Amino acid sequence: AQSVTQLDSQVPVFEEAPVELRCNYSSSVSVYLFWYVQYPNQGLQLLLKYLSGSTLVKGINGFEAEFNKSQTSFHLRKPSVHISDTAEYFCAVRGGGAQKLVFGQGTRLTINP
Amino acid sequence: DGGITQSPKYLFRKEGQNVTLSCEQNLNHDAMYWYRQDPGQGLRLIYYSHIVNDFQKGDIAEGYSVSREKKESFPLTVTSAQKNPTAFYLCASSRGTGALNQPQHFGDGTRLSIL
Repeated sequence: AQSVTQLDSQVPVFEEAPVELRCNYSSSVSVYLFWYVQYPNQGLQLLLKYLSGSTLVKGINGFEAEFNKSQTSFHLRKPSVHISDTAEYFCAVRGGGAQKLVFGQGTRLTINP
Repeated sequence: DGGITQSPKYLFRKEGQNVTLSCEQNLNHDAMYWYRQDPGQGLRLIYYSHIVNDFQKGDIAEGYSVSREKKESFPLTVTSAQKNPTAFYLCASSRGTGALNQPQHFGDGTRLSIL
């Protein structure tokens, strides 16, 4: 069965600093990968997705992620964060013909002024 | 604008009571999903439906029931058999069953608490 591991449960950074949120998945077959953001008391909003092609994927709000097949990783990055980026971020994977989307445990990003 | 509407935003349940959470979408999506979110546990799949009048159990279906009588609607009932129902419930939808590369779109959730 698919699994997703988000390596950090919390990541505190200062405003305007770069950030990387780490995600590893378990699969030896083709996968589709997604990052979602959740603001307090709201649903999840799609940040970006990797379906095929270029391994560097750009999303909304200045985020990007790099698909690394050999390391089975899909880390999310932003070169300069803003206070408004404070939220919880979820990595998700669907692959091997499975209908279900499997989510990681989430990473809480806290931006300090 | 198309989207997913969940209601109510907050819901309180008494002991031994069944409650129903509403989920409506106007995205013309075939597939709909219910997730439960607890702090530190990510999202866990309760039930999903890929077509009207058909649905499957997810990973934590015990104590829950669903129906899919219309394409736009996928209500979730939390029964009295669910002993720990306090959680944030999220409804999602996506395009057709074969479209594995399609992302899921989420509603804003319903927070259920026990009185």
